[in-house]
Amino acid sequence: ETAVFQTPNYHVTQVGNEVSFNCKQTLGHDTMYWYKQDSKKLLKIMFSYNNKQLIVNETVPRRFSPQSSDKAHLNLRIKSVEPEDSAVYLCASSPGTGSQNTLYFGAGTRLSVL
Amino acid sequence: QQQVRQSPQSLTVWEGETAILNCSYEDSTFNYFPWYQQFPGEGPALLISIRSVSDKKEDGRFTIFFNKREKKLSLHITDSQPGDSATYFCAAGGGNYKPTFGKGTSLVVHP
Repeated sequence: ETAVFQTPNYHVTQVGNEVSFNCKQTLGHDTMYWYKQDSKKLLKIMFSYNNKQLIVNETVPRRFSPQSSDKAHLNLRIKSVEPEDSAVYLCASSPGTGSQNTLYFGAGTRLSVL
Repeated sequence: QQQVRQSPQSLTVWEGETAILNCSYEDSTFNYFPWYQQFPGEGPALLISIRSVSDKKEDGRFTIFFNKREKKLSLHITDSQPGDSATYFCAAGGGNYKPTFGKGTSLVVHP
């Protein structure tokens, strides 16, 4: 049963455009994440929020910015996309902040940059 | 620095065989090891997990064997089914904010 919802499923855009991805979780969790999964399926954490507070901010280009309106929503904006941004962006949530918590992932948003 | 390593990168077995997926780690503070299963077009989902106080965890056809001294663990899938074909990620956690994932093993089960 899906409890982490991501929109859109797919997005095709051109270099230099701005894109935004949305994520909502209905699990009542306090912590949300954005992961990037590349073509080799490697998972890399980008950001993590706990109750609207940024707690993990990996070394990602400044064109990426997360946005949290409440603990159930975590969006991702990319200003001026680059070809290397083509990937699947996975949103996840967990009950707490520690790395011993189970992650619940959405189905992902696949971004193609032409 | 890759803290969680998985092997093999890909594995093919016949239906009914046992698939063995390996994982090793470097950081001795890791004490929680979940395995995630990912089907095409979906996000990863927790399959089974083990804590470092145990050396074995079973859930149906899926078993984790854990060797704390050698910092190794393995996932055994007995009586493999075509529906088990997926990518399996070994992950590790130990108190920091970032779960650490391996690069995954792509499993194909032929009928």
